Amino acid sequence: SAVISQKPSRDICQRGTSLTIQCQVDSQVTMMFWYRQQPGQSLTLIATANQGSEATYESGFVIDKFPISRPNLTFSTLTVSNMSPEDSSIYLCSVGNGGNTEAFFGQGTRLTVV
Amino acid sequence: GENVEQHPSTLSVQEGDSAVIKCTYSDSASNYFPWYKQELGKGPQLIIDIRSNVGEKKDQRIAVTLNKTAKHFSLHITETQPEDSAVYFCAASPQAGTALIFGKGTTLSVSS
Repeated sequence: SAVISQKPSRDICQRGTSLTIQCQVDSQVTMMFWYRQQPGQSLTLIATANQGSEATYESGFVIDKFPISRPNLTFSTLTVSNMSPEDSSIYLCSVGNGGNTEAFFGQGTRLTVV
Repeated sequence: GENVEQHPSTLSVQEGDSAVIKCTYSDSASNYFPWYKQELGKGPQLIIDIRSNVGEKKDQRIAVTLNKTAKHFSLHITETQPEDSAVYFCAASPQAGTALIFGKGTTLSVSS
């Protein structure tokens, strides 16, 4: 199984600022994903982080608001830009290798925007 | 795109009873159906999964059934214990290790 480390684990940010969340995996993985979990809600896929190319965003999420980097097969970042209180959520990194392997989740980053 | 419906949203049982959570999906291209358990302040943890070529899978007190024709799958927990209390999510995707579409979650409370 993959061990995923997310940083920071939580943060309180001022509206209008940006926060970059890091996701580090202990082994090379094919797929990396970012999800958002709003308070008391389910997980919604933000985007698939593609190594060496632009991320693939789901409907309702745009690159200007959630820029993503994936410089190699073990690391990705998600930036939440120009934050507003509506961005207060848990942001989760997930990894997988396709085929017959399961997807693993990090512990999440709990973001509060004030 | 895929849509996953999950019921019930909350479930309260007595310790030792069974708990059943049901999900339906819309996309016939989905072939992988995992169940995740999320405890407070933690990320989701996979507890069991099933692929479309299998109708049922069991792991100790946990079982999952899949009816691909009807597009529904269910989680069964027998002999529930207080430590089973958590939020459970079902999900669907074309194959394991790819992006998941989640149901809205079921809050299970097991009282002793």
